Amino acid sequence: QSVLTQPPSVSAAPGQNVTISCSGSSSNIGNNYVSWYQQLPETAPKLLIYENNKRPSGIPDRFSGSKSGTSATLGITGLQTGDEADYYCGTWDNSLSAVVFGGGTKLTVL
Amino acid sequence: QVQLVESGGGLVKPGGSLRLSCAASGFTFSDYYMSWIRQAPGKGLEWVSYISSSSNYINHADSVKGRFTISRDNAKNSLYLQMNSLRAEDTAVYYCARANYYYYYIMDVWGQGTTVTVSS
Repeated sequence: QSVLTQPPSVSAAPGQNVTISCSGSSSNIGNNYVSWYQQLPETAPKLLIYENNKRPSGIPDRFSGSKSGTSATLGITGLQTGDEADYYCGTWDNSLSAVVFGGGTKLTVL
Repeated sequence: QVQLVESGGGLVKPGGSLRLSCAASGFTFSDYYMSWIRQAPGKGLEWVSYISSSSNYINHADSVKGRFTISRDNAKNSLYLQMNSLRAEDTAVYYCARANYYYYYIMDVWGQGTTVTVSS
């Protein structure tokens, strides 16, 4: 079981919008920044969102992040088939003194 | 461009050892914390270890503590992971990752990974 909880899968049609949730506790999300990573099939993960809502250079503004209390959300607008991937949230856990990740959410663009 | 290239993976018997390497280029390696993160077949991401820029701070996940050792050579722009007493559950793709300049738990650059298989 992962420290951070994500839905195993989400799906939507091209052009639609989708959100992926990430739930934690006060020892992790509640007191640290959340990052989101995208892992396309058969590739290494890539940083998508950092410090809750910032996008690295080159990441389109269709991707957004937010945090409220002990939960975080990744939003993707105008879905494209190329967005099909696994998405992971991550942060630091003060109690475990460890980097922690969610179990991952598989996005299917129907 | 910024690049991380892992090497050293392979097939090893339970109880054996392996040393992974990660060659960094395109940035000032000595300025950044670095981490190893692994992914078992069909599973999610699991953080393994991190090391501070000058090797003063090192932390390992409980699952590898006492068996794995992270180290770095800033003169060679290289990161290492010495893995001893390997178990079947250590089978995974191992990624080298650079930590964000300000927060060591944000991985902003990842390597392509190297595969470690522990099997008799």
